Amino acid sequence: DAKTTQPNSMESNEEEPVHLPCNHSTISGTDYIHWYRQLPSQGPEYVIHGLTSNVNNRMASLAIAEDRKSSTLILHRATLRDAAVYYCILRGGADGLTFGKGTHLIIQP
Amino acid sequence: DAGVTQSPTHLIKTRGQQVTLRCSPKSGHDTVSWYQQALGQGPQFIFQYYEEEERQRGNFPDRFSGHQFPNYSSELNVNALLLGDSALYLCASSWGQGYYYGYTFGSGTRLTVV
Repeated sequence: DAKTTQPNSMESNEEEPVHLPCNHSTISGTDYIHWYRQLPSQGPEYVIHGLTSNVNNRMASLAIAEDRKSSTLILHRATLRDAAVYYCILRGGADGLTFGKGTHLIIQP
Repeated sequence: DAGVTQSPTHLIKTRGQQVTLRCSPKSGHDTVSWYQQALGQGPQFIFQYYEEEERQRGNFPDRFSGHQFPNYSSELNVNALLLGDSALYLCASSWGQGYYYGYTFGSGTRLTVV
């Protein structure tokens, strides 16, 4: 799987939108962009994934750059329960997920 | 709808021993993957089972082996335990090897080797 680059940590205020960036300049045409998050003392949780078009679900939105070399996970209104490590992962087939170090998101009340 | 169930939640073993961890996938899922997560690190892929066969394997030695049963549940076995095997072991399930869907993870088994 291709490599992704994320900031080590980000801080945001409760009830404000959060934009979590991910760079993946070596992405191939068949790589899907997946996002997972891991809350303290829990296993990772699937958030969203996409290929080329922007995607929305009840948890978040995924904005994918036109050249697909970067993407942004958008939490529209952060709550304290969104404090977690967020992982951006590229997946091209049936291979296992390759987790990096992710972005530690801190939410201030 | 029960998610992924792992047992036991915690385990302490002595170096050199063998351990078996168990996983029941989410209802409707047929694929099980195992991950190892050391403290402060992201999970590392061990292997994936689909149709009772190991389909993909990460960079882990043969001391790590597994099995998938006809009801899709799975076991992870680790032989000749080393201190470095101390970690959180996560099981993840999906449908159809997770090509187009996300994985559902369990809360893990915390293994401590002393």
